[in-house]
Amino acid sequence: GEDVEQSLFLSVREGDSSVINCTYTDSSSTYLYWYKQEPGAGLQLLTYIFSNMDMKQDQRLTVLLNKKDKHLSLRIADTQTGDSAIYFCAESDSGGYQKVTFGTGTKLQVIP
Amino acid sequence: DTGVSQDPRHKITKRGQNVTFRCDPISEHNRLYWYRQTLGQGPEFLTYFQNEAQLEKSRLLSDRFSAERPKGSFSTLEIQRTEQGDSAMYLCASSLEGARRAFFGQGTRLTVV
Repeated sequence: GEDVEQSLFLSVREGDSSVINCTYTDSSSTYLYWYKQEPGAGLQLLTYIFSNMDMKQDQRLTVLLNKKDKHLSLRIADTQTGDSAIYFCAESDSGGYQKVTFGTGTKLQVIP
Repeated sequence: DTGVSQDPRHKITKRGQNVTFRCDPISEHNRLYWYRQTLGQGPEFLTYFQNEAQLEKSRLLSDRFSAERPKGSFSTLEIQRTEQGDSAMYLCASSLEGARRAFFGQGTRLTVV
C-alpha cells in the first residue's frame, strides 16, 4: 500500500529557514499536500502541488518535488514562532481526494 | 459560512458504551469524509459520502462503527461498544466533488476509559 514518511522533529531558530522533508512510495501519486496542525486543532491546508510540477512558491512557502526520487519538501522562509506546529505531508492518486494518505507528521519547534 | 464544525469537541466514555459524533460540513459541499488520528500519527481515512451515499469504507471501519449522512448535509459517526483502542481524534472534512482540497473540522477527541 501507499506509504508516506517524514522525520519526526525539527527545531529551528526564529528568522531562519525551515525545511521539512517527505518521501512517498506510490508512483501514481497525482497530488501532494502539506498540512499544518496546531495543538488541539484540525488540519489546515497550506499548499499542494500537482505531480507534473517541480516547484511551487506561495509567499514564505516553497514546495519542491523530485518525482524521480519520490521526495517532497516544504521550505518555510523567515520562520516565526507562530509556525510552530505539526506539518503533515499527504498524497493522493488519481482516484480522488478520498484516497489521501498522510505521513506521520513533523513537529516543528521554533526557538525565539 | 463558518467552516466544518464538529460536536462534541471532547468526549470521555467508559469502555463498552456507545458514542455518537456529529459533523456539519460547509453548506455547499457534497462530499464529506471521516478520518481517525491517533496520537503521534497522521490521519487515517475511514469513510466518505457523496451527498447521502456512503461510497467507500476503509477496512479500519469495523462492524462497531457506522456512519450516516441521511439528508446529504450533516453526518454522524457512531461507535458501539467502545474499546480503549478507539481513543483517538476523529476528524471530519468536506469538499466539492472533484475538488482537490478538503476543509477539516477541529475534530472530536474521544477518550475511552
